[in-house]
Amino acid sequence: EPEVTQTPSHQVTQMGQEVILRCVPISNHLYFYWYRQILGQKVEFLVSFYNNEISEKSEIFDDQFSVERPDGSNFTLKIRSTKLEDSAMYFCASRVAGLTDTQYFGPGTRLTVL
Amino acid sequence: RKEVEQDPGPFNVPEGATVAFNCTYSNSASQSFFWYRQDCRKEPKLLMSVYSSGNEDGRFTAQLNRASQYISLLIRDSKLSDSATYLCAVNRGGGSQGNLIFGKGTKLSVKP
Repeated sequence: EPEVTQTPSHQVTQMGQEVILRCVPISNHLYFYWYRQILGQKVEFLVSFYNNEISEKSEIFDDQFSVERPDGSNFTLKIRSTKLEDSAMYFCASRVAGLTDTQYFGPGTRLTVL
Repeated sequence: RKEVEQDPGPFNVPEGATVAFNCTYSNSASQSFFWYRQDCRKEPKLLMSVYSSGNEDGRFTAQLNRASQYISLLIRDSKLSDSATYLCAVNRGGGSQGNLIFGKGTKLSVKP
């Protein structure tokens, strides 16, 4: 069964450093998402991406964040200058096309900012 | 009112028990509804989509009441392996690109 993959599984970085989190969505999916989950809190939407551009973003997704689909398979989330409060699990998700279609989540990247 | 609210839990039940989770959502424009299961420090995994007509998958039954903006999940004959956090998720609707709004989740512990 196809699945969303994410790398790395755990990233430790120093405050102020740039990090890039990588995702490979399911191959025939058209919509891509990033969510985050701070430890003990709910899963929160960050950004959605369709047709090679951001289609929607939350208030969390400020100028420090960017997303890219550099080739036909990878989907990346970049945090330019990490803060302590960026420490969280970051989940990538993808879905086929229709709004009611299921989103499938990757296993997540645990980001720890020291 | 929060966008998606769930029973705070935790629910501690014996094996074989029937347990019900409730979820309310505030945006009447929401179009799709889901129950996800999340194990500790893992990704949300889809348990069921929720339809107006109600749907059942083995021991799991989901119901949607659009008028009351309410979703439920019933687990019958609970197993030890059902222990997890159950997340209610609702799409934002109103022209959004399907991004999901999650509840905080309800933790279930099934004991022998």
